[in-house]
Amino acid sequence: AQSVTQPDIHITVSEGASLELRCNYSYGATPYLFWYVQSPGQGLQLLLKYFSGDTLVQGIKGFEAEFKRSQSSFNLRKPSVHWSDAAEYFCAVGCTSYGKLTFGQGTILTVHP
Amino acid sequence: DAGITQSPRHKVTETGTPVTLRCHQTENHRYMYWYRQDPGHGLRLIHYSYGVKDTDKGEVSDGYSVSRSKTEDFLLTLESATSSQTSVYFCAISDPSHSTDTQYFGPGTRLTVL
Repeated sequence: AQSVTQPDIHITVSEGASLELRCNYSYGATPYLFWYVQSPGQGLQLLLKYFSGDTLVQGIKGFEAEFKRSQSSFNLRKPSVHWSDAAEYFCAVGCTSYGKLTFGQGTILTVHP
Repeated sequence: DAGITQSPRHKVTETGTPVTLRCHQTENHRYMYWYRQDPGHGLRLIHYSYGVKDTDKGEVSDGYSVSRSKTEDFLLTLESATSSQTSVYFCAISDPSHSTDTQYFGPGTRLTVL
């Protein structure tokens, strides 16, 4: 069965600092991988996705993620965090059967001024 | 934003009562999903639909049923609500003919079972 682990429940960074959110997955085939962001009281917004090809993918809001098959990882990065990036971030792996997603537990990002 | 609405947005009910949540889409997407979100668990799949009248169970389907009589509507029913079903429920849609396996989410329904 597929699974996703986000090791960090809560991360705090200062505004302007760089950010890396970790994601490790378990899946038997080539994975479809996603990062979503959720602001308080809101639904989930897609940040970026990896299906195949270039292992470094660019997303919205200045985020990027790198797929590393050897490490079963898909870490999310941003070079300079803005206060508006404070939110909860979810990594997910997609199943080829009807596109079902398995989510990680989420990482809450707090940004200090 | 994908045209997905959920109703109601908030609901408080009592243990043992039936509850139905509605997801409505205007995108004509083939697949629809119901998730629940709980702290420390992320989102977990309850049921999904791969076409009109075609549904199947997800990871946490016990105590829930679904129906899809039209492409645009996907209903989630709690036959007899329990306190453990207090959660935030999200509907999502996708269509492999548009963008492989990318799911778009509704705004959520916050359900409290007293």
